[in-house]
Amino acid sequence: NAGVTQTPKFRILKIGQSMTLQCAQDMNHNYMYWYRQDPGMGLKLIYYSVGAGITDKGEVPNGYNVSRSTTEDFPLRLELAAPSQTSVYFCASSYAQRGPQETQYFGPGTRLLVL
Amino acid sequence: AQSVTQLDSHVSVSEGTPVLLRCNYSSSYSPSLFWYVQHPNKGLQLLLKYTSAATLVKGINGFEAEFKKSETSFHLTKPSAHMSDAAEYFCVVSDSPGGSYIPTFGRGTSLIVHP
Repeated sequence: NAGVTQTPKFRILKIGQSMTLQCAQDMNHNYMYWYRQDPGMGLKLIYYSVGAGITDKGEVPNGYNVSRSTTEDFPLRLELAAPSQTSVYFCASSYAQRGPQETQYFGPGTRLLVL
Repeated sequence: AQSVTQLDSHVSVSEGTPVLLRCNYSSSYSPSLFWYVQHPNKGLQLLLKYTSAATLVKGINGFEAEFKKSETSFHLTKPSAHMSDAAEYFCVVSDSPGGSYIPTFGRGTSLIVHP
């Protein structure tokens, strides 16, 4: 089991460029999440998905898009990169069928710098 | 609505002394509560979780937490700190209004361990 994998590990973008952050899990989890982590602010939820074909906005969705065509993959798209999107991005997954007590499993993160 | 407050942004201890990281929560339902640990430049890993069974929960690496409903608290403790415990710790609450299991993260507490 690879768990949750994320690529790339680190990326520098110029303002206005676009990119896709990749996330994959091999645990057959139905829930997947994208967070951003800024210093001293904890994790903020960007988007989440409760299953293939179903996505919803989190707390800070502006400037991002997601899709979920398979159970395994949940890519995050930045269309027009802005300096405010400089952050560390974490993908997570969980099997949330029985209630809110399910553990989230996190990827190693993608560090993004927008200049 | 659910919320979580970590009362200290930084906690500094000497190796071999007790650790106390404080967390208060708010929830309109019967919540699940989690502590996650994040070592430098790594993803988050589950330390322990409370899911309405025993109120004293034991986790990995000697950590434990006690759920106190009357105080709406879920403080994390360890009898004796080790240098390897230096990390960021996140308290997380999750309940299920309408069946949506979306956790809320605290801002994190940075644990510093001095030799």
